Amino acid sequence: GAVVSQHPSWVICKSGTSVKIECRSLDFQATTMFWYRQFPKQSLMLMATSNEGSKATYEQGVEKDKFLINHASLTLSTLTVTSAHPEDSSFYICSARVLVGGAINTGELFFGEGSRLTVL
Amino acid sequence: LAKTTQPISMDSYEGQEVNITCSHNNIATNDYITWYQQFPSQGPRFIIQGYKTKVTNEVASLFIPADRKSSTLSLPRVSLSDTAVYYCLVGAATSGTYKYIFGTGTRLKVLA
Repeated sequence: GAVVSQHPSWVICKSGTSVKIECRSLDFQATTMFWYRQFPKQSLMLMATSNEGSKATYEQGVEKDKFLINHASLTLSTLTVTSAHPEDSSFYICSARVLVGGAINTGELFFGEGSRLTVL
Repeated sequence: LAKTTQPISMDSYEGQEVNITCSHNNIATNDYITWYQQFPSQGPRFIIQGYKTKVTNEVASLFIPADRKSSTLSLPRVSLSDTAVYYCLVGAATSGTYKYIFGTGTRLKVLA
């Protein structure tokens, strides 16, 4: 199956600093990627939809100036957590959609390994 | 928006068949149903996908009734390594984009 890779897998930073997380589709092109965050024992929460070459679409309640998303190429999307604070500590997961037969609805999502952010 | 509802948790014993049902009453005509498995500190992993009736692969079966308002993931002869959270996912077309909202998932615990 298609492979989605995230880097770094874990990061620790000081409060007030910015952290960038990369999401790469290794063997396919992804026009659309999705960013989720997950707190312990909870489900994945969609943060934003990342579209190649255009601005990301953020979910309600997600601060776009704090969580900067860039999807500059068909294989790379980045999430930058700006001025991180301890409450931003979470597990961040990206996914990319693979179209099947050209139909969006049948697209299978492939997920990265996740990136655990700890803000001290 | 097609919201999914699943039991929060289930327990089973090794070697038993496990059936996890998901409700998705507002599923759209063109939407597929996809099931994922997630282990702690890992991204979800694809299990199976279907549109209607029955789909089977090497790890699971998916049963979807004619009205498609629910689906059942069947895991044959589970083992301890199947302990994980299982999510059913239905896409949602909204505001010109198509996205995927996770429900609570079902936390399956397999006992020896």
